[in-house]
Amino acid sequence: AQSVTQLDSQVPVFEEAPVELRCNYSSSVSVYLFWYVQYPNQGLQLLLKYLSGSTLVKGINGFEAEFNKSQTSFHLRKPSVHISDTAEYFCAVSDPDSWGKFQFGAGTQVVVTP
Amino acid sequence: EAGVVQSPRYKIIEKKQPVAFWCNPISGHNTLYWYLQNLGQGPELLIRYENEEAVDDSQLPKDRFSAERLKGVDSTLKIQPAELGDSAVYLCASSLSQGGSYNEQFFGPGTRLTVL
Repeated sequence: AQSVTQLDSQVPVFEEAPVELRCNYSSSVSVYLFWYVQYPNQGLQLLLKYLSGSTLVKGINGFEAEFNKSQTSFHLRKPSVHISDTAEYFCAVSDPDSWGKFQFGAGTQVVVTP
Repeated sequence: EAGVVQSPRYKIIEKKQPVAFWCNPISGHNTLYWYLQNLGQGPELLIRYENEEAVDDSQLPKDRFSAERLKGVDSTLKIQPAELGDSAVYLCASSLSQGGSYNEQFFGPGTRLTVL
């Protein structure tokens, strides 16, 4: 079974600074990869996804992620964060052969301060 | 377009009491998911429905949890009796699944359950 490791449980960052959230997954076979954001008291919202093709994926709100198959990583980045980016971020993986079955990481809490 | 609707948003009960959560998926979405999210953790799948059929319930604790999806639309998740360890957020999600290809899951806001 797939597993997902988010290496940082909390990332403090100043407004307008860059941020990188790290995600590693267990399998070296084909996978689908996702990043979700969860604002307080809300459900998860898809930021971006990698299914195939270009390894650099651009998502909403200025986020992007890079798929690295050799390192089994899918790190999320944003060059300049806003206060409104304060939220919990989840990395998830799905096996294309059992689509719809997601394995989520434990989450990374991003706290943006002025 | 309305998103995934869940009710109640919050529920506080005493242990050994029953509790039920309701989910209304996005109109037309044939796949429905129930997830459990413990504090500080990512969601874990409890059950997945394709229309009215539960196609993956391997993670559902069947001794106390049950779920149904009436007519392939709304769904109810029940716990009876509730235990202290059931305190968590219960998330519902839906997607339109066609031909085995990937389709985005849309999540509801969740029901936060507190068992005292």
